[in-house]
This record gives sequence, C-alpha cells and structure tokens, in this order.
Amino acid sequence: DADVTQTPRNRITKTGKRIMLECSQTKGHDRMYWYRQDPGLGLRLIYYSFDVKDINKGEISDGYSVSRQAQAKFSLSLESAIPNQTALYFCATSRPDRGGREQFFGPGTRLTVL
Amino acid sequence: QKEVEQNSGPLSVPEGAIASLNCTYSDRGSQSFFWYRQYSGKSPELIMFIYSNGDKEDGRFTAQLNKASQYVSLLIRDSQPSDSATYLCAVGSGGSARQLTFGSGTQLTVLP
Repeated sequence: DADVTQTPRNRITKTGKRIMLECSQTKGHDRMYWYRQDPGLGLRLIYYSFDVKDINKGEISDGYSVSRQAQAKFSLSLESAIPNQTALYFCATSRPDRGGREQFFGPGTRLTVL
Repeated sequence: QKEVEQNSGPLSVPEGAIASLNCTYSDRGSQSFFWYRQYSGKSPELIMFIYSNGDKEDGRFTAQLNKASQYVSLLIRDSQPSDSATYLCAVGSGGSARQLTFGSGTQLTVLP
C-alpha cells in the first residue's frame, strides 16, 4: 500500500483545458512538493508547502497553481494547459524533524497535452 | 540560478566493478547533498545523503563530499545488474533544506 498516491496516473488532454493533479499521503508529513521531470532536465520544483497555510513558488511556477486542502492533500492545477507542459509530474513529502533531508516520492502522473 | 551538473552518461560498467558517479554544484551555501536512484518508469528513491566533507559509507555505496571543490560523488562497489538505473544528485539549500535542486541524472548500466 502506497504512502504517497497520485491521481490520475496518466492523462491526455488538449491545449487550453484545465487540469488538476492530486496528491494524497498517509505518512503524516507536513511538507509536500510538486516537481516535473523532463528528459535530460531532471526534476524541477514547481511549488512546495510546509503546512496548510504555507505555499511557496519553486523554480518553474508559471502556468501552475496549487492548493493545500489538508495536511494530507496537495493539488496541482494547470489552468490552461499547453503542449510544453507535457511531462512526468511527481508529488513528494518530507518531515521537518529530519531537516527535510529525505523526500518520499509518489508514483508520478504522466501528462500529455496535445 | 542554482545549478547541479551531472554527466548524463550512459555509463556502463561490468558486473563486480566499481561505478563512479560525479556531481558538481554552483551554490557555495549548499549544506546537504543527496543521491537518489530512479529505475525506468519509477519514482526516485533516496539511497545516500551526506552533510560533511569526507566519505560516508553505507553497504556497497560510498558518498564523497568536497565543499571546497563543490563536488560530490557516489561510488558503487561490486556493481550488480540490479544497480542499473538513473542516479540523481540533489543539493539542499536554505534552512532545513527547504528546497532541493536536482541534477539531470546519470544513467548507469551494469553489464552481466
């Protein structure tokens, strides 16, 4: 049973559509992150949240928004999807008492924007 | 802009050999350093972290850090085919490693 789950696992959509990717965790961690992974570019941070009232932009937040509905849930939205947002998206969590040093990743969502 | 550089590979080593993976980083204020392993189609998983200059060993894995040279490496001894994966170097900055900056990864293949 997975501690960090992401839905959907795969999604194909069209340019201009609104898309929401959801992340849930049962690890009890306060910190949650959204990354995207592109071939040859590694993981890039989109947004991160250290608690329900703390939302921070990462390296590549333009075109994305997030919502931290509860400690266990962190959603990523693409208000108007464009083809260069085609990527593999990962949610991750970590614990502040371990200095955030280990991030636990969900299984990923593969998003294709046509 | 904080940068983390890795050779993309692919790096091929024979089974039983030592695999050496290297990473350099640009932010001198970086305080924490991580190696993640990512199998094809899977999510990254942490295999090593290091905070202080020198070597840190865990089983077949050794992480090496040289802050003066802004260099971190991962050695895998007695490499096995199951070690074939992409290895991601990540560097933490800010208090309590608020953010991790990842390199693009090195693809390792261990040949039987």
